[in-house]
Amino acid sequence: QQPVQSPQAVILREGEDAVINCSSSKALYSVHWYRQKHGEAPVFLMILLKGGEQMRHEKISASFNEKKQQSSLYLTASQLSYSGTYFCGTVYDMRFGAGTRLTVKP
Amino acid sequence: NAGVTQTPKFQVLKTGQSMTLQCAQDMNHEYMSWYRQDPGMGLRLIHYSVGAGITDQGEVPNGYNVSRSTTEDFPLRLLSAAPSQTSVYFCASSYSGRSYTEAFFGQGTRLTVV
Repeated sequence: QQPVQSPQAVILREGEDAVINCSSSKALYSVHWYRQKHGEAPVFLMILLKGGEQMRHEKISASFNEKKQQSSLYLTASQLSYSGTYFCGTVYDMRFGAGTRLTVKP
Repeated sequence: NAGVTQTPKFQVLKTGQSMTLQCAQDMNHEYMSWYRQDPGMGLRLIHYSVGAGITDQGEVPNGYNVSRSTTEDFPLRLLSAAPSQTSVYFCASSYSGRSYTEAFFGQGTRLTVV
C-alpha cells in the first residue's frame, strides 16, 4: 500500500522552512526520502531507521511520530536548489508516495 | 560504474505492439524493481526481483512481464501495448530491498502508446 504524502505542493521563498509528511496505516519501520528534479530520475536524500537513526543531507532532516505511522521531512533555510518533487518510500516493500512538489522562489 | 542503465530513453508504440524495456546495473545489487510514473500518481511499483530467478508482482503488474536470468539485467516486457501504458518507466536497484540502503534509479524510459 502506498504511503500518503502531504501536502501535494508547497511554494516557499528562499530561506523559509518546509515540512513534508508521509503517513501510513501501518507502522513505518524505516522510511527513505528522494528528490526528483523535472525530467530527471529520483535521487536518494536520506533514510530514517526504525530506531530514529537518520542520515542527514545538507539542511534536511526527518523524524517519526510516536506511533511511527508518520514521518516528516524538514527542510530548513530552503535554497533554490531544493525545488523538485519529494517522495517518501517504505523501505520494506519499496512503495512510494505520490510526491510533494516543492517550489522555492527567490 | 555506470550505475543503472535503461534503454531506450524514448519509445512510441502502436496499440497492440509488444516491446521490451531494458534495465542493467553494474553494482551487483540483489534487488531490482520497475516503476511507472504518471502525473499525480507518484512512483507505482510494477514488478520487482530479490535476486536472479526470483520475481514478484507489485501494485500494478497487469500487462507487464519480467524475468531475471542474471543479477545484472531485469527487462520489462509489454505484452500488448495499450494507451493506458503511456507513462515514464523507471528501473531501480539496491543492495537489498529490505535493508537500509538507498535505491539507485535509471534515467527513465518515456513511452507513448498511440
